[in-house]
Amino acid sequence: AQSVTQLGSHVSVSEGALVLLRCNYSSSVPPYLFWYVQYPNQGLQLLLKYTTGATLVKGINGFEAEFKKSETSFHLTKPSAHMSDAAEYFCAVSNTNAGKSTFGDGTTLTVKP
Amino acid sequence: KAGVTQTPRYLIKTRGQQVTLSCSPISGHRSVSWYQQTPGQGLQFLFEYFSETQRNKGNFPGRFSGRQFSNSRSEMNVSTLELGDSALYLCASSLESQAEAFFGQGTRLTVV
Repeated sequence: AQSVTQLGSHVSVSEGALVLLRCNYSSSVPPYLFWYVQYPNQGLQLLLKYTTGATLVKGINGFEAEFKKSETSFHLTKPSAHMSDAAEYFCAVSNTNAGKSTFGDGTTLTVKP
Repeated sequence: KAGVTQTPRYLIKTRGQQVTLSCSPISGHRSVSWYQQTPGQGLQFLFEYFSETQRNKGNFPGRFSGRQFSNSRSEMNVSTLELGDSALYLCASSLESQAEAFFGQGTRLTVV
């Protein structure tokens, strides 16, 4: 069984500030972890993924996430927020390929000018 | 390379009707998954097809069904529509070994 908890359904930051979106997971086997972004009326776009190897994963648009097994966390960060980062972000866990992923409830990121 | 294509983008149906949604995966991808997204329930997994076989299934009633064709295109069918079936239905395709899902833009279904 697997599950994902995203802490905070809404996060608001100022433009240029650090973005931190939290994700904790549970999985009975070593997980594959993903972060996706969704803009209004669009599908999900993969930001980054962790499968094996290096625990600090870099993704598109300046985002990165660190897999911490001891904390069962996979938090998403970006050093400096941009207005275009405003969207909904989903953390997901899978224990095989991405065909059956369990998604968190999502975090809506608002970026204030 | 073309992305995942879902048709139609928008659909309005009446309670009790049935609906079929279509998904064309990225060329070469054999796995197609379907998700339902609603404001109240978030993203929920419906089912996954791989090489024309249903490989995984979520917790949805039997009114929700799907199939995959030999060219990997997939269809999802919902019969006896209910108001609560109004949602964004997302399709995602992936390569078996790549552990990465590519999503289509979704079909927005409204049941009235």
